Amino acid sequence: DAKTTQPPSMDCAEGRAANLPCNHSTISGNEYVYWYRQIHSQGPQYIIHGLKNNETNEMASLIITEDRKSSTLILPHATLRDTAVYYCIVRGRGTSYGKLTFGQGTILTVHP
Amino acid sequence: DTAVSQTPKYLVTQMGNDKSIKCEQNLGHDTMYWYKQDSKKFLKIMFSYNNKELIINETVPNRFSPKSPDKAHLNLHINSLELGDSAVYFCASSQTEDGYTFGSGTRLTVV
Repeated sequence: DAKTTQPPSMDCAEGRAANLPCNHSTISGNEYVYWYRQIHSQGPQYIIHGLKNNETNEMASLIITEDRKSSTLILPHATLRDTAVYYCIVRGRGTSYGKLTFGQGTILTVHP
Repeated sequence: DTAVSQTPKYLVTQMGNDKSIKCEQNLGHDTMYWYKQDSKKFLKIMFSYNNKELIINETVPNRFSPKSPDKAHLNLHINSLELGDSAVYFCASSQTEDGYTFGSGTRLTVV
């Protein structure tokens, strides 16, 4: 699975959009980009995933660059409850029955 | 209804003891996992079971033995507990590769 690089921490004002970047320059053609988050003391929570097209769901949007070497997770209107560690994970589908390799992630702090 | 439930939530025990953590999922998923999160907050996979069959064993010491009596349950038994086993253990399940559902974790403290 490709390695990812994320900033260790970010701040965001409540109500504003939070844009979390992820670099995955060694991603291969069959690898997807997944985002999870972990709110303090809870289990990780799946947010969104994509291959090359931009994706949106009720939680967030995922923007993947055309060369697929980086992506951005967007929380359109961040709330205090979005404060968490956000993990960007790159993984091939159809492999290893879903093994996820977590990095250090980005600590997002949403402040009033 | 809790989708992935683990028991106990907290476990404090002495070195050398044997303990078990239980996990149950009511999502009808075929694959279940155990992850370990250490004091530095790194999450690492330990085991993966698909339909009761062991798929992934990530060089975990033999003192750790997973058991899957059916596809809705994946228990973790740990023998001869050591201080370094102190961590938060998360159970998870998935059906497709679209996303995992994690449990709320079991905080194990070995004293």
